[in-house]
Amino acid sequence: ETGVTQTPRHLVMGMTNKKSLKCEQHLGHNAMYWYKQSAKKPLELMFVYNFKEQTENNSVPSRFSPECPNSSHLFLHLHTLQPEDSALYLCASSQDLRGTYGYTFGSGTRLTVV
Amino acid sequence: RKEVEQDPGPFNVPEGATVAFNCTYSNSASQSFFWYRQDCRKEPKLLMSVYSSGNEDGRFTAQLNRASQYISLLIRDSKLSDSATYLCTTGGTSYGKLTFGQGTILTVHP
Repeated sequence: ETGVTQTPRHLVMGMTNKKSLKCEQHLGHNAMYWYKQSAKKPLELMFVYNFKEQTENNSVPSRFSPECPNSSHLFLHLHTLQPEDSALYLCASSQDLRGTYGYTFGSGTRLTVV
Repeated sequence: RKEVEQDPGPFNVPEGATVAFNCTYSNSASQSFFWYRQDCRKEPKLLMSVYSSGNEDGRFTAQLNRASQYISLLIRDSKLSDSATYLCTTGGTSYGKLTFGQGTILTVHP
């Protein structure tokens, strides 16, 4: 596989469930990101990882818990979410933290919280 | 003031029209500039980088004016398939990470 792969593509979960989103990049990039995009709203940066170390947490509620075991994999663990958390969750990667060559995005996970 | 500001549109143009999008950015230290395209319910995809000398890719032309902190995208001979949201993006500063505008919606109609 090439590029940035996200699984699952779609997820429906109840407010008491625990689930995880997975992202894997095959580009040899060093930085990875989680973004949230609600309907008809701009991209919201959630977390930034550089060489598997978290460098930014954009005031994200603790019900979202990221994990980056290595530079190629990124997870977003979800628990006790709210309906307003329903959105498209996008993973991205870049060669360097400055994004000198831009970001490559995964296809996203469309999350619905019921 | 937002770091990257775009006119959200929507822009509704007929096929074959020429349309231009503008974008301003506030961080004068920005070194990298891009236009992304995002189709409905899909991920953003890199359309083109933007260089100070201006660059062209087929029907698309991007311009950067560092003095005015202004970026533009010109689409000539619009196609139905150009309908999408176009995101202006800046980055390359010592603070790291790219900053995305809110996007400009383009609809090309027959």
